[in-house]
Amino acid sequence: DQQVKQNSPSLSVQEGRISILNCDYTNSMFDYFLWYKKYPAEGPTFLISISSIKDKNEDGRFTVFLNKSAKHLSLHIVPSQPGDSAVYFCAAIEYSGGSNYKLTFGKGTLLTVNP
Amino acid sequence: EAQVTQNPRYLITVTGKKLTVTCSQNMNHEYMSWYRQDPGLGLRQIYYSMNVEVTDKGDVPEGYKVSRKEKRNFPLILESPSPNQTSLYFCASSLWWRETQYFGPGTRLLVL
Repeated sequence: DQQVKQNSPSLSVQEGRISILNCDYTNSMFDYFLWYKKYPAEGPTFLISISSIKDKNEDGRFTVFLNKSAKHLSLHIVPSQPGDSAVYFCAAIEYSGGSNYKLTFGKGTLLTVNP
Repeated sequence: EAQVTQNPRYLITVTGKKLTVTCSQNMNHEYMSWYRQDPGLGLRQIYYSMNVEVTDKGDVPEGYKVSRKEKRNFPLILESPSPNQTSLYFCASSLWWRETQYFGPGTRLLVL
């Protein structure tokens, strides 16, 4: 049972345009969400996060939107640059106290930004 | 330089031969975890540790052991590796579980 879904394995956009990466989740107990970027032969690097009490978080060219009722979040990159080409992972955290902690990643979306 | 290091980076071994992948962080982070990345499956959490001497199972703990005897180190132990443990492994750490996780460069393991 996949609780965090990234239904688009790949996405291709032109440089300067907006990239929108989507993520859906099924577990209503998730209360914190993150996006990671991964280049080949490197470990993932943190990009941006959002708490469930918010619906938007912005950091430079990156904005994450959260729609709790739809159990959907998206990452917007504006403007897209060739260096943004990477695999993007959506992740969600459920924490219920003590060491009761659950972190789940999606399968990732390969973003290609064409010059 | 703040970093998470893993060793070895590449390892080829045979079924049943015990191995340990080391993970060390120099940021005094409380939280550490291990993931494996497989094609079409994304990143899956194996084990995590919220503090010294505190470890818990993630989503795919079978066939793995961990220990957290000191804050900076979190080794992953495969007592009897099998071919289905061939994967790319990442260690990560963060100040606390909600904080940004810093990932190591990965260890590519092949079990024959």
